[in-house]
Amino acid sequence: EAGVAQSPRYKIIEKRQSVAFWCNPISGHATLYWYQQILGQGPKLLIQFQNNGVVDDSQLPKDRFSAERLKGVDSTLKIQPAKLEDSAVYLCASSPQVAGGAYEQYFGPGTRLTVT
Amino acid sequence: SQQGEEDPQALSIQEGENATMNCSYKTSINNLQWYRQNSGRGLVHLILIRSNEREKHSGRLRVTLDTSKKSSSLLITASRAADTASYFCAPAGAGSYQLTFGKGTKLSVIP
Repeated sequence: EAGVAQSPRYKIIEKRQSVAFWCNPISGHATLYWYQQILGQGPKLLIQFQNNGVVDDSQLPKDRFSAERLKGVDSTLKIQPAKLEDSAVYLCASSPQVAGGAYEQYFGPGTRLTVT
Repeated sequence: SQQGEEDPQALSIQEGENATMNCSYKTSINNLQWYRQNSGRGLVHLILIRSNEREKHSGRLRVTLDTSKKSSSLLITASRAADTASYFCAPAGAGSYQLTFGKGTKLSVIP
């Protein structure tokens, strides 16, 4: 079974520029998550999709971050304009829909973003 | 918030020794999960324990859950250098099933 794919793996941009990350979840997984992980911290949930609908985006800084999941499969996360504090690893994860709701998440390798 | 808080923040042991990490959380949970993160394999799920379970095993891993104390522990027996990683507990809320990660325990296993 192929894992969660993310690209690019690394990105360096200047502040105020825009950037986009792409994620392809495990085939058949209904739920997709984007996390931000700052160095030395645990992952912080930014947005959760169920199929192509948003379940929770309460921690997404909507003035600069946006995300979409077209056709309930691939997803993109965009930052525009980027700030220095956006430097982090952006992780995508997916999980299957399981009755009862208890399921593990499968993480991609992440995109390491450096904003200079 | 259901955020897990791991203790200790860092742990250094010799290969072959056992490693114990603890996790505390604040509200009701549906389940609690442990994940490992290292530079080679990224963030990987280790074990999931449901709120009605008290103990679970997977290979050299043993997880306990005490919902009355809102705490969990992860025991790694006979540690190996390859166990060197950061370990995160992630409580899943009773309603949303979302995971909230703490800062993790950084485990170093010295050969």
